[in-house]
Amino acid sequence: EAGVAQSPRYKIIEKRQSVAFWCNPISGHATLYWYQQILGQGPKLLIQFQNNGVVDDSQLPKDRFSAERLKGVDSTLKIQPAKLEDSAVYLCASSLVSRRAFFGQGTRLTVV
Amino acid sequence: EDQVTQSPEALRLQEGESSSLNCSYTVSGLRGLFWYRQDPGKGPEFLFTLYSAGEEKEKERLKATLTKKESFLHITAPKPEDSATYLCAVQNYGQNFVFGPGTRLSVLP
Repeated sequence: EAGVAQSPRYKIIEKRQSVAFWCNPISGHATLYWYQQILGQGPKLLIQFQNNGVVDDSQLPKDRFSAERLKGVDSTLKIQPAKLEDSAVYLCASSLVSRRAFFGQGTRLTVV
Repeated sequence: EDQVTQSPEALRLQEGESSSLNCSYTVSGLRGLFWYRQDPGKGPEFLFTLYSAGEEKEKERLKATLTKKESFLHITAPKPEDSATYLCAVQNYGQNFVFGPGTRLSVLP
């Protein structure tokens, strides 16, 4: 079974620039999550999709972050403009409804 | 608000020295409690799901237990390859996962 695919693995940008991350979940998984993990902390949920609808985006900084899941499969997470405090690993995860989440390798973002 | 705390923050063990990691939680409605292992530069890897108080799960040197307020991950006779960050998460009825900060485990040969 193929796992959750994320790209790019690493990204370095200057503050105020924009960046986008891509996630391809496990086939058949209706639920998709984006998490932000700051060094030394646990993952923090940014947004949760069920198919192509948003279930929870209460912790997404909507003035600069956006996410979409077209056709209920792939998803992109965008940051515009980036701030220094956005430096973190962005993890995508997917699951069947009410089941354990499978995580991708993450994208490490450095904002300089 | 759902919350998860973990202790200790970091733990250093000698190979073969058994110990336990703690996960304390408050959740509006517990659908499940999950333990994940995370190696540096990688995403979390699933270990266990526990659904109700009194439940126990085992896998090799690891054993997870659950009460109404906390969960323990017991590590018996650990090896250096068990070194990792261990994350605890609760899933609520909204189906999202709330993670704790993790325990960084180092097992020295």
